[in-house]
Amino acid sequence: GNSVTQMEGPVTLSEEAFLTINCTYTATGYPSLFWYVQYPGEGLQLLLKATKADDKGSNKGFEATYRKETTSFHLEKGSVQVSDSAVYFCALSGRGGTSYGKLTFGQGTILTVHP
Amino acid sequence: AAGVIQSPRHLIKEKRETATLKCYPIPRHDTVYWYQQGPGQDPQFLISFYEKMQSDKGSIPDRFSAQQFSDYHSELNMSSLELGDSALYFCASSLELSSTDTQYFGPGTRLTVL
Repeated sequence: GNSVTQMEGPVTLSEEAFLTINCTYTATGYPSLFWYVQYPGEGLQLLLKATKADDKGSNKGFEATYRKETTSFHLEKGSVQVSDSAVYFCALSGRGGTSYGKLTFGQGTILTVHP
Repeated sequence: AAGVIQSPRHLIKEKRETATLKCYPIPRHDTVYWYQQGPGQDPQFLISFYEKMQSDKGSIPDRFSAQQFSDYHSELNMSSLELGDSALYFCASSLELSSTDTQYFGPGTRLTVL
């Protein structure tokens, strides 16, 4: 079945530091890949997505590139802010069969950014 | 812009009681997904509906049932509640049943079973 593996957290950074959160996946066919962010006490918000190989998703300074050869979708940001502190989830949506549309999430990575 | 609405936001029940969670998707979205997120865990897919028909089923206990109504809102019915059912329950909606389509999540219903 489909699965997503994220780097273990928590991740603690100083403001303006570079961020990388690793994400690898296992899926049949060509899934779509997503990064969602969850702020304390809130629901999940889509941060970015990529629907085919070599696509780059980007939003609010965050970027991730769909790498089929390494089955990865690592999240990066050049300069984090305190307001980026949240839980980040990598997720995939499979194509075909009974997995159409539903999201499979990674374990989540807690990011804390200090001033 | 309109978002996914879930009610109630918080619910406290005793063991063996019944709970009903409601979800109102974004207008014109005909696909609804339900997810369960335990404390410190990632969301787990429960069930989905497309055009009022069940489209997929995940790790949903037999004690739970759900449906999508003619106005596209959905309800998750949970019976014989157990302590382990305490979790955050999210509803998400998308424009269509597609692996590429973005799912928009509601704020969640926090269920506590005592």
